[in-house]
Amino acid sequence: GESVGLHLPTLSVQEGDNSIINCAYSNSASDYFIWYKQESGKGPQFIIDIRSNMDKRQGQRVTVLLNKTVKHLSLQIAATQPGDSAVYFCAEIGTTGRRALTFGSGTRLQVQP
Amino acid sequence: NAGVTQTPKFRVLKTGQSMTLLCAQDMNHEYMYWYRQDPGMGLRLIHYSVGEGTTAKGEVPDGYNVSRLKKQNFLLGLESAAPSQTSVYFCASRSGTGNYGYTFGSGTRLTVV
Repeated sequence: GESVGLHLPTLSVQEGDNSIINCAYSNSASDYFIWYKQESGKGPQFIIDIRSNMDKRQGQRVTVLLNKTVKHLSLQIAATQPGDSAVYFCAEIGTTGRRALTFGSGTRLQVQP
Repeated sequence: NAGVTQTPKFRVLKTGQSMTLLCAQDMNHEYMYWYRQDPGMGLRLIHYSVGEGTTAKGEVPDGYNVSRLKKQNFLLGLESAAPSQTSVYFCASRSGTGNYGYTFGSGTRLTVV
């Protein structure tokens, strides 16, 4: 059975469409942000990161936007594929010495073929 | 190169029993972390270590103890398991040289009855 994402908000998109997943972070002092993808029964998988001195970063089919004014992150996935179906988490890293990740609550992405 | 290996993958405990979860990494990483993930939530930090012989508390440390006697291993102990500790536990590690490339294990699903 799946224990991840039972009560998460869900974004349902058609294959080939673009997806936008949003995240509000909590600590205005955080200086590094990461988006993770988590499939059922697996650990988080790195997608893309961004430092606080940037407002946009692009990867392969993915773009992360950072708005520090309103403490908001978004992940854009272009041409969404069935393999993109998963739970997506944003995570922030504060400036304390431990540099641990603080995770957001997650969004489930369902891609309809 | 195995990355981060967690054992066991699954375990069922009775209330009051004890157990130890093992996390092993072969990347010579300085930092290691233990997180728990409950249904519908992101990962929350239990304990962490910034190097061999050091440990510190995270956000949800109560009921858990940890040890880092060897750099490659980070043990999470439950002395007297409670149903509230039913969760999926993830270990992560990263280098301490400014690289925030966390590597996660595949998780341990623990049920306390």
